[in-house]
Amino acid sequence: EAQVTQNPRYLITVTGKKLTVTCSQNMNHEYMSWYRQDPGLGLRQIYYSMNVEVTDKGDVPEGYKVSRKEKRNFPLILESPSPNQTSLYFCASRGQGRDYGYTFGSGTRLTVV
Amino acid sequence: LAKTTQPISMDSYEGQEVNITCSHNNIATNDYITWYQQFPSQGPRFIIQGYKTKVTNEVASLFIPADRKSSTLSLPRVSLSDTAVYYCLVGEGGRGSTLGRLYFGRGTQLTVWP
Repeated sequence: EAQVTQNPRYLITVTGKKLTVTCSQNMNHEYMSWYRQDPGLGLRQIYYSMNVEVTDKGDVPEGYKVSRKEKRNFPLILESPSPNQTSLYFCASRGQGRDYGYTFGSGTRLTVV
Repeated sequence: LAKTTQPISMDSYEGQEVNITCSHNNIATNDYITWYQQFPSQGPRFIIQGYKTKVTNEVASLFIPADRKSSTLSLPRVSLSDTAVYYCLVGEGGRGSTLGRLYFGRGTQLTVWP
């Protein structure tokens, strides 16, 4: 089944403890992206990638890192999480053709205490 | 990056047609218009995409006037299960750094009543 898989689904962590949220797609998609969603603010793009080793900042990149060493994986790294990074995170991917838009993962709900 | 303006919320009743209009005054020549649907705690789901005039698929129609500064998503005969947030996006013009760069905004909360 074609899908975008995020792990973990839920995570509670403490301030300053480095964490990684993984994202993997099995559709051989070139484009991948990370978003965060907060009440009243909609979806905001954190980082995106147009292919292996090609990444760029979205609207809210501060406090996050990404890497794209393989086409299928696009992990989101929080080097020193803070409470303001408590949010619902989504990973998404798309192929070269636009016809079906982005496929989104099921989300990761992160709480930083 | 072209940003969009949509109504914050809309209400409808089952069986009615719903039209959600999105304004995108700064749309670039090569930009496409895409609509997504999102249910609570789920990732957005692609609904429809167009460049100009009218596009129709099995779930919706998209109307785009000649100046392309706005677009209207039309949902025929809505049901309770269409209650969701609908996002209008503009971008992905085909070349250069805008590829992959998307602005979702806050979307429109559509509530369908019985």
